[in-house]
Amino acid sequence: EVQLVETGGGLIQPGGSLRLSCAASGFTVSSYYMTWVRQAPGKGLECVSVIYSGGDTYYADSVKGRFTISRDNSRNTVSLQMNSLRAEDTAVYYCARGDRGLDYWGQGTLVTVSS
Amino acid sequence: QSVLTQPPSVSGAPGQRVTISCTGSSSNIGAGYDVHWYQQLPGTAPKLLIYGHINRPSGVPDRFSGSKSGTSASLAITGLQAEDEADYYCQSYDSSLSGPLFGGGTKLTVL
Repeated sequence: EVQLVETGGGLIQPGGSLRLSCAASGFTVSSYYMTWVRQAPGKGLECVSVIYSGGDTYYADSVKGRFTISRDNSRNTVSLQMNSLRAEDTAVYYCARGDRGLDYWGQGTLVTVSS
Repeated sequence: QSVLTQPPSVSGAPGQRVTISCTGSSSNIGAGYDVHWYQQLPGTAPKLLIYGHINRPSGVPDRFSGSKSGTSASLAITGLQAEDEADYYCQSYDSSLSGPLFGGGTKLTVL
């Protein structure tokens, strides 16, 4: 059974750093593209970052230079290192598997950036 | 500007048919990139509803269907049910962004 479990969210002050992790089971993360999608309170979905099976990465302009996506094949996990956090980064962050569309999603982890 | 435009809201009575449009441009839908649709029930993670314009994942009722024409795509829901009340999002790839793009979302209200 495919499962994605995100961890690492919480309350952080502006300018701080946080690392989100997505633990995958039931498939191998290196065989798919893995995506971080966020949803600010009451807002729509935004694709934040993608890591493709070949290792290429994508970042939304809103996070470029501040966020870094990575993959640990030995642990079958995908991580999102978030630096220089801003109030506008407050959102639920979802990890999703990409194949034909984003076919499996985690339950999400809430990141709140506030002083 | 790379944008997928959806109506903010649609509504329909039980049993009726509703459609949700997703209007893009030559850098996304018009370029031939796949369009996917997601359903997000209140307080839950999004769920893949349609992939590759018209395909339903296993378990999705055939009341849901997708189509594409030119730079736009549509999601149709027939035989509307109360449990269909949710937010719906289209998604594609955009060559100008070199990355995935979501529409703004449409809230479906079942009257």
